[in-house]
Amino acid sequence: QVQLVESGGGLVKPGGSLRLSCAASGFTFSDYYMSWIRQAPGKGLEWVSYISSSGSTIYYADSVKGRFTISRDNAKNSLYLQMNSLRAEDTAVYYCARLSRMGTDYWGQGTLVTVSS
Amino acid sequence: QTVVTQEPSLTVSPGGTVTLTCASSTGAVTSGYYPNWFQQKPGQAPRALIYSTSNKHSWTPARFSGSLLGGKAALTLSGVQPEDEAEYYCLLYYGGARVFGGGTKLTVL
Repeated sequence: QVQLVESGGGLVKPGGSLRLSCAASGFTFSDYYMSWIRQAPGKGLEWVSYISSSGSTIYYADSVKGRFTISRDNAKNSLYLQMNSLRAEDTAVYYCARLSRMGTDYWGQGTLVTVSS
Repeated sequence: QTVVTQEPSLTVSPGGTVTLTCASSTGAVTSGYYPNWFQQKPGQAPRALIYSTSNKHSWTPARFSGSLLGGKAALTLSGVQPEDEAEYYCLLYYGGARVFGGGTKLTVL
């Protein structure tokens, strides 16, 4: 079965950096686009970034452009999100999700990032 | 900045029918926006329900259906069950960009 497991969240000071990881299993990772979606505490969902199966196509939301970098390692079945220059408003649960012809079909359970001094 | 608007909250009685809508600030929602719908219960990750306007995932209960209605994307729940109480989000595609609606809190009372 499809499994997506995020890790790397935690407490970081404003201006700091954090790298999130998503370990994928149960499907051929290299065949799928992947994405990061976040949810601030008590708020709605926000699309952050996605990356094509080969890594050649990447999208970022304006709110993170220039600060966050999405990447993937198909040999390791892993997706990453490098987050730099973090701000308080980046505090959220970050979800890894698979993109397919059937939309955003599978989601991980999320990892919490807290940006606070 | 593109805004996707949903009803903040709706209430429905068990066994009843309710329609949630999803509007775009750019104009009428069409199939080209590939509307997706998700359900999220407290403390859980979102779960996909509908993709490309009206297509269901293998796990989507038959009582959920998606459509286009009056220039908006719509999610209709027929024969609502208590376990359908949740937050529902729509997602629209704008070329490369993806924008979520603000969510609708559905109360079953």
